[in-house]
Amino acid sequence: QQQVKQSPQSLIVQKGGIPIINCAYENTAFDYFPWYQQFPGKGPALLIAIRPDVSEKKEGRFTISFNKSAKQFSLHIMDSQPGDSATYFCAASIEGNTPLVFGKGTRLSVIA
Amino acid sequence: NAGVTQTPKFQVLKTGQSMTLQCAQDMNHNSMYWYRQDPGMGLRLIYYSASEGTTDKGEVPNGYNVSRLNKREFSLRLESAAPSQTSVYFCASSEARGDRGTYNEQFFGPGTRLTVL
Repeated sequence: QQQVKQSPQSLIVQKGGIPIINCAYENTAFDYFPWYQQFPGKGPALLIAIRPDVSEKKEGRFTISFNKSAKQFSLHIMDSQPGDSATYFCAASIEGNTPLVFGKGTRLSVIA
Repeated sequence: NAGVTQTPKFQVLKTGQSMTLQCAQDMNHNSMYWYRQDPGMGLRLIYYSASEGTTDKGEVPNGYNVSRLNKREFSLRLESAAPSQTSVYFCASSEARGDRGTYNEQFFGPGTRLTVL
């Protein structure tokens, strides 16, 4: 059973657009929700993370929106640039000593 | 600091051969992980080690073994490689100490691209 469902699988936006990637989870015990960014040939790297005590978190052009009642969270990239072209993974865990559970990833292409 | 390092970067094996993927971290992290990444499947956890001296199975452990050699090193062994194990393997580490309030950011290595013929 997939614990974190991510959509869409791929996304193409024009430069300056606002791509949105969505994730849904089942386990209500999850309390840590990070997003990872992966460039081709590299390992994933933490982009931004949120905990369920807030509904939104912004870091630069990246924003996480969190809806605890719907068990959903999403990543928004403002003023997207070609350099944002990468694969994005959402994840979830119970904070502390449990491994992250990853979504299947979204391949984002930002075209000039 | 090098962060998380993995060796080798690339490997080609024949079916039935064995090999060990090496991983080391210099961040004094307690927890270490092995993932495999396949197209359309995301990152799937193979094994993890919450702390030195412990290992646990993840989502896809069959066909693999691990050894937490010390706090820095966590190796992944394929005893008899199969074509289904063709994948990119990532090692990661995190500071998670088992108590709530700890920050569970995982740091990933550059990956090992393995092909089994």
